[in-house]
Amino acid sequence: QVHLQESGPGLVKPSETLSLTCTVSGGSITTFYWSWIRQPPGKGLEWVGYIFFDGNTSSNPSLKSRVTISVDTSKNQFSLRLSSVTAADTAVYYCAKGSVYADYWGQGTLVTVSS
Amino acid sequence: EIVLTQSPGTLSLSPGERATLSCRASQSVSSTYLAWYQQKPGQAPRLLIYGASSRATGIPDRFSGSGSGTDFTLTISRVEPEDFAVYYCQQYGSSQWTFGQGTKVEIK
Repeated sequence: QVHLQESGPGLVKPSETLSLTCTVSGGSITTFYWSWIRQPPGKGLEWVGYIFFDGNTSSNPSLKSRVTISVDTSKNQFSLRLSSVTAADTAVYYCAKGSVYADYWGQGTLVTVSS
Repeated sequence: EIVLTQSPGTLSLSPGERATLSCRASQSVSSTYLAWYQQKPGQAPRLLIYGASSRATGIPDRFSGSGSGTDFTLTISRVEPEDFAVYYCQQYGSSQWTFGQGTKVEIK
């Protein structure tokens, strides 16, 4: 059973970079694709992007210039960096397993953008 | 970008009733790449259906998915108390995902 756990700061200042890490247990990160999805408070789901262990990535065109997704196979972790954040980036950020659909999800972590 | 439109926005039902949720795509979606999720307050979404009609592991058979092309449906044959939640459809195409805006199934 794959388990995912997000970690990172819960508060980020406007114009700074949001950084989150997802730690995968119960499975090798080299076997599947891994995704980030976010959900602003009270709103719907928005796909951020995904990565394969070889570094192949894809991201939401609306965020593409600000998004960097990376993988650390030695730690069984993958990470999200979102630059130049604004209040509109305030959301619960989920990491998940899958490139076509997400069959395992982390519990999510709330990131608030505020000064 | 493929836009997914879910209807209705809210569905008010009594336990035991049948729920029919619609997901319409702005252009054709491969059935292989259409999924449905359930989300309860304060929880992560849970995969219900993938490939338009295949139930995910552990999902009760009262949940079923159907459809093709631009029109997809999630059906709950008899709504149980634990089924009151928000449901999202999601598609994958051209290395991109999009989600519908969600349908809330609430107690009548």
